[in-house]
Amino acid sequence: DTAVSQTPKYLVTQMGNDKSIKCEQNLGHDTMYWYKQDSKKFLKIMFSYNNKELIINETVPNRFSPKSPDKAHLNLHINSLELGDSAVYFCASSQDPHRTGTQETQYFGPGTRLLVL
Amino acid sequence: AQSVAQPEDQVNVAEGNPLTVKCTYSVSGNPYLFWYVQYPNRGLQFLLKYITGDNLVKGSYGFEAEFNKSQTSFHLKKPSALVSDSALYFCAVRQLSGNTPLVFGKGTRLSVIA
Repeated sequence: DTAVSQTPKYLVTQMGNDKSIKCEQNLGHDTMYWYKQDSKKFLKIMFSYNNKELIINETVPNRFSPKSPDKAHLNLHINSLELGDSAVYFCASSQDPHRTGTQETQYFGPGTRLLVL
Repeated sequence: AQSVAQPEDQVNVAEGNPLTVKCTYSVSGNPYLFWYVQYPNRGLQFLLKYITGDNLVKGSYGFEAEFNKSQTSFHLKKPSALVSDSALYFCAVRQLSGNTPLVFGKGTRLSVIA
């Protein structure tokens, strides 16, 4: 009964390709996130969506495009993959952190390990 | 701007001894503070958080943390370490007001030796 799931778990691809990572949460949360964890384990937010609306877009190249078809899904599409995109990408979800009284703890998926060759 | 510092890359503790993983933060105004743990090849798991109220927060697996506003610290503690506690620990902070993201520290690797 996975709360936050991501597919695929592993992704190996060539430079220049386009790939997508899917994320689904069954927690009934209305906010979802994408994080990138680099080889040194440093974790940085990329995007945040609330009710299918983009809330946070940190300085991420526009080759990265999140898409939220509904509140339970936030997919990440990456165009023209580069070597530096190799990392572990984590999806997370929470209740709306800006609504008073909500529990804004973020729950993370298992990660997608992307290797660009 | 928000920031989190975890001054130790690695903490080594003997099994059964108390452990402390340090965290200091910087925000404008009041903070939301979190600790997460990451086991190898896994996602982050929530341990505990401070939002408001009692400065001593108890969380999962016997961990606790104390919010110290004057020292802007939120150190993670456990009275008696287990080998299974060995993992990567992340402190995170979010400013209470404004549309700000959760900012993570660089992580501290805890190694508990039998």
